[in-house]
Amino acid sequence: SAVISQKPSRDICQRGTSLTIQCQVDSQVTMMFWYRQQPGQSLTLIATANQGSEATYESGFVIDKFPISRPNLTFSTLTVSNLSPEDSSIYLCSVVTTGNSNQPQHFGDGTRLSIL
Amino acid sequence: KQEVTQIPAALSVPEGENLVLNCSFTDSAIYNLQWFRQDPGKGLTSLLLIQSSQREQTSGRLNASLDKSSGRSTLYIAASQPGDSATYLCAASFSGGYNKLIFGAGTRLAVHP
Repeated sequence: SAVISQKPSRDICQRGTSLTIQCQVDSQVTMMFWYRQQPGQSLTLIATANQGSEATYESGFVIDKFPISRPNLTFSTLTVSNLSPEDSSIYLCSVVTTGNSNQPQHFGDGTRLSIL
Repeated sequence: KQEVTQIPAALSVPEGENLVLNCSFTDSAIYNLQWFRQDPGKGLTSLLLIQSSQREQTSGRLNASLDKSSGRSTLYIAASQPGDSATYLCAASFSGGYNKLIFGAGTRLAVHP
């Protein structure tokens, strides 16, 4: 399966600042996604990163707060803007490697974000 | 509303025991179901994916089943080992949102020597 690298692996940020998380895959993939895992909770899909166009956001998530880029088939970024303590979470990217939608999603190791 | 539920929330067993983790989902229009393992401080490792047309999948000591009519999936772990200690998550995708995974809260498994 694809090797997925996320950077940074963890960060501590000040309130009101922004953090950009990178997701790099070692091969071209058809689909990339961003998830959030709040403390003690399970994963929630933030958005689908679309190559060359605007991301598709899930209910409760907006582009101003979570801008996403996907310039090519191997790379995506998620920015968490105007950070507040409620944004302290693990952020994970996942990929589907082929066009067959019955393929498993594979996840990166996540970015652990803490807000002071 | 499409929901995924996992019970129990936590499980502690002695090494060597066979065990079953349960996952239930509210929508019978399931597209596929995936089981993951999450180790502390790590991302998710995909274990098994069951398509809606399948009844079960096996990988080594792991066997996952799917019963759409009852809205249930089980993950069977044979001859458990301390290295199996982790949180196990099930996630389902449903028709109309093929790649949107809806996750359960997970079962935290501890296998003690």
